[in-house]
Amino acid sequence: EVQLLESGGGLVQPGGSLRLSCAASGFTFYNYAMNWVRQAPGKGLEWVSVISDSGDSAYHADSVKGRFTISRDNSKNTLYLQMNSLSAEDTAVYYCAKDQGSGWYAADYWGQGTLVTVSS
Amino acid sequence: DIQMTQSPSSLSASVGDRVTITCRASQGISNSLAWYQQKSGTVPKLLIYAASTLQSGVPSRFSGIRSGTDFTLTISSLQPEDVATYYCQKYDSAPLTFGGGTKVEIK
Repeated sequence: EVQLLESGGGLVQPGGSLRLSCAASGFTFYNYAMNWVRQAPGKGLEWVSVISDSGDSAYHADSVKGRFTISRDNSKNTLYLQMNSLSAEDTAVYYCAKDQGSGWYAADYWGQGTLVTVSS
Repeated sequence: DIQMTQSPSSLSASVGDRVTITCRASQGISNSLAWYQQKSGTVPKLLIYAASTLQSGVPSRFSGIRSGTDFTLTISSLQPEDVATYYCQKYDSAPLTFGGGTKVEIK
């Protein structure tokens, strides 16, 4: 059974940093691309970042480019999102989502999400 | 970047009605389009990928079709359990943009 367990969310002050983690199990992690998707309270889904199966390629949404960095450790079956220079607009539930393949495909499994609140 | 325009933003229909939701890409994205369902308080669920391929376990009343850069999700006979917000997403290349969502309610 595929499981994705996010952690690392919480309350952070504007300008602060946070690192999210997503522990994956139930599938061959290094064979699949992985995504971060966020959802602000009461709003729609916003794609944040994607990383290839090997970690060699990664892309970020313009809204987070230069501030967020996606990475992965295939030896630990773990996906990360380093978030710097956080602002109130980054307040959201952050979902880790497994790609259907090694490149850019649909996301077939999602974690339960971790809430990030940016507030003073 | 390619924009994804989803319509309508909300709709209300009766049980048994045929419901259609449209997503228009500002440029060609081939068949690289997925549809997701998100019920209130839950995680998004993949319904359809490659524009028209039903994900395993999804009821056959859901279907998808592509016409050029227009993509349509159809629920052939709306059921009470279909109350949810539906999103399209392009995945031909980054950014993997979502549409704005369509909230479906029962009349």
